[in-house]
Amino acid sequence: EVQLVESGGGLVQPGRSLRLSCTASGFTFGDYAMSWLRQAPGKGLEWVGFIRSKAYGGTTEYAASVKGRFTISRDDSKSIAYLQMNSLKTEDTAVYYCSRYSSGWSSPNWGQGTLVTVSS
Amino acid sequence: QSALTQPASVSGSPGQSITISCTGTSSDVGVYNYVSWYQQHPGKAPKLMIYEVSNRPSGVSNRFSGSKSGNTASLTISGLQAEDEADYYCSSYTSSSTLVFGGGTKLTVL
Repeated sequence: EVQLVESGGGLVQPGRSLRLSCTASGFTFGDYAMSWLRQAPGKGLEWVGFIRSKAYGGTTEYAASVKGRFTISRDDSKSIAYLQMNSLKTEDTAVYYCSRYSSGWSSPNWGQGTLVTVSS
Repeated sequence: QSALTQPASVSGSPGQSITISCTGTSSDVGVYNYVSWYQQHPGKAPKLMIYEVSNRPSGVSNRFSGSKSGNTASLTISGLQAEDEADYYCSSYTSSSTLVFGGGTKLTVL
């Protein structure tokens, strides 16, 4: 069974940094692209970015709203994807989800989410 | 990349059919068959209902179907049931190698 578990959320002050982790199990992690998405309180889903598998260069893509501030990385030996968030803003407050990509850039598997609150 | 356009809300009675539209551009929905639909109940993670415009993952009811015409994709739910009441989101791959979501549609089963 595919499982994704996010961790690392919490309360952080504006301008500070936070790193989220997504620990995967139940599949060959290194074979899949992994994505981060978020949902602000009472708002819709927003794609944050993804990292391709090593077979496709392990490269990353980001939404314009986080480009230059957020970095996605992966450790295939530990089956973990990371989201490094720098220069956090109050508008980054959201539940952050990780997902595994499958056919047609769809996400059949999601974690339970971790809440990040950016506030002074 | 602007968000895909969905109606804020739709409603229907049990047993009826409803359709939710998702309008993009020639840089996303119009050029790729990489449109997905997600169902989200309050406090829960999203659930994939349709991928690649019209394909259903294993375990998803055949009451859910997807289609696309030009820059607009659609999700149709037939035989509405109370448990279908949820928020629905479309997403599409884009020519910038990014993903974009719609703003979401709240489905109310009357």
